[in-house]
Amino acid sequence: DVKVTQSSRYLVKRTGEKVFLECVQDMDHENMFWYRQDPGLGLRLIYFSYDVKMKEKGDIPEGYSVSREKKERFSLILESASTNQTSMYLCASRPFGIREYFGPGTRLLVL
Amino acid sequence: SQKIEQNSEALNIQEGKTATLTCNYTNYSPAYLQWYRQDPGRGPVFLLLIRENEKEKRKERLKVTFDTTLKQSLFHITASQPADSATYLCALDRMDSNYQLIWGAGTKLIIKP
Repeated sequence: DVKVTQSSRYLVKRTGEKVFLECVQDMDHENMFWYRQDPGLGLRLIYFSYDVKMKEKGDIPEGYSVSREKKERFSLILESASTNQTSMYLCASRPFGIREYFGPGTRLLVL
Repeated sequence: SQKIEQNSEALNIQEGKTATLTCNYTNYSPAYLQWYRQDPGRGPVFLLLIRENEKEKRKERLKVTFDTTLKQSLFHITASQPADSATYLCALDRMDSNYQLIWGAGTKLIIKP
């Protein structure tokens, strides 16, 4: 069965901290995505990766960076967390196809 | 730019009735449109995909229609059950990317016993 896991379900961080969110998929998918989800705004793409070490900016990359050193792992980094980055973060993977498989999400609170 | 709209108000439906959710889009003719279900505090789960050359798709109690003239998709759940209560998201392919989807904000569906 397809599985996407995220390192934390809930996270509380302080303003200015560096935050790492990790996502692992066990399906050998080429494409991986990081979204944030806020009430009334839907899913907004932060970054995606279509291969190891390859990344592209999504709609809202400011304040974030990503790393994909291995095919199964895609990390989202908040270089210096700010309160406006409080959100639900969702990782997804997709094979060379169309539908996306999502992880359970990480609810991040930045104080 | 592409826009996708779903009714932001929650939809309350009596158990056993058909629930119908709407997804409207502008400024684009997508090759396909997808519907996902999201439960509170969880990631979305894929339900159905319909392509531009398909008028209708069915899966058990679910039915999706795709009207490219009206730029609208309808998502139906027949014989609705309280367990169908969730937020339903629609997504379509982006005109400027082979990889990315554009997402609606979702409609919350509440099925009352």
